[in-house]
Amino acid sequence: GESVGLHLPTLSVQEGDNSIINCAYSNSASDYFIWYKQESGKGPQFIIDIRSNMDKRQGQRVTVLLNKTVKHLSLQIAATQPGDSAVYFCAENILWAGKLIFGQGTELSVKP
Amino acid sequence: NAGVTQTPKFRILKIGQSMTLQCAQDMNHNYMYWYRQDPGMGLKLIYYSVGAGITDKGEVPNGYNVSRSTTEDFPLRLELAAPSQTSVYFCASSYQGGNARGSGNTIYFGEGSWLTVV
Repeated sequence: GESVGLHLPTLSVQEGDNSIINCAYSNSASDYFIWYKQESGKGPQFIIDIRSNMDKRQGQRVTVLLNKTVKHLSLQIAATQPGDSAVYFCAENILWAGKLIFGQGTELSVKP
Repeated sequence: NAGVTQTPKFRILKIGQSMTLQCAQDMNHNYMYWYRQDPGMGLKLIYYSVGAGITDKGEVPNGYNVSRSTTEDFPLRLELAAPSQTSVYFCASSYQGGNARGSGNTIYFGEGSWLTVV
């Protein structure tokens, strides 16, 4: 069946270091992927997305890499800051179906 | 613009009671969704709607009902509340297939509704 899972449930990094959060997906029909950040007590907040016809997309301090061969997605955060501490979810979407399937989440903790 | 607005923020229900979680969006999005999130877990899709008058089941629809009489509103109904429905509920919306507020097919979430069934 469809599933999206994360390799690491928790990640602790030092302030200023780069963070890499990984995600595996199993549905090869998925054509759109999104990373969300969720702070305690709040709804998921869009970070960055990537379509399946791309391998890499960059935003402000964040980069998403997509490897369709091994069905792997990663989120890289440069110069991690305390404000980046949150749970990060990857999600996959089949655009024509309009359904977004979420993975379990990785909790990122940034040490000052 | 308010984005996606959910009410109530918090609610305690007794087993067997019923209630409706309200959701409204002002972005003219055609797609709307209801998710639930259990502690330490990702979001599970309950129901979604691709437009007014159309609703479809998601991953965990049992125990819930929805309606979509207008583009803006997508209420979620719990008919006979059970402890297993204790969760945080998120409403979301997106635009599929054209230009509207937001980037492409980005899904925007509300702030969540905390529901406890005792």
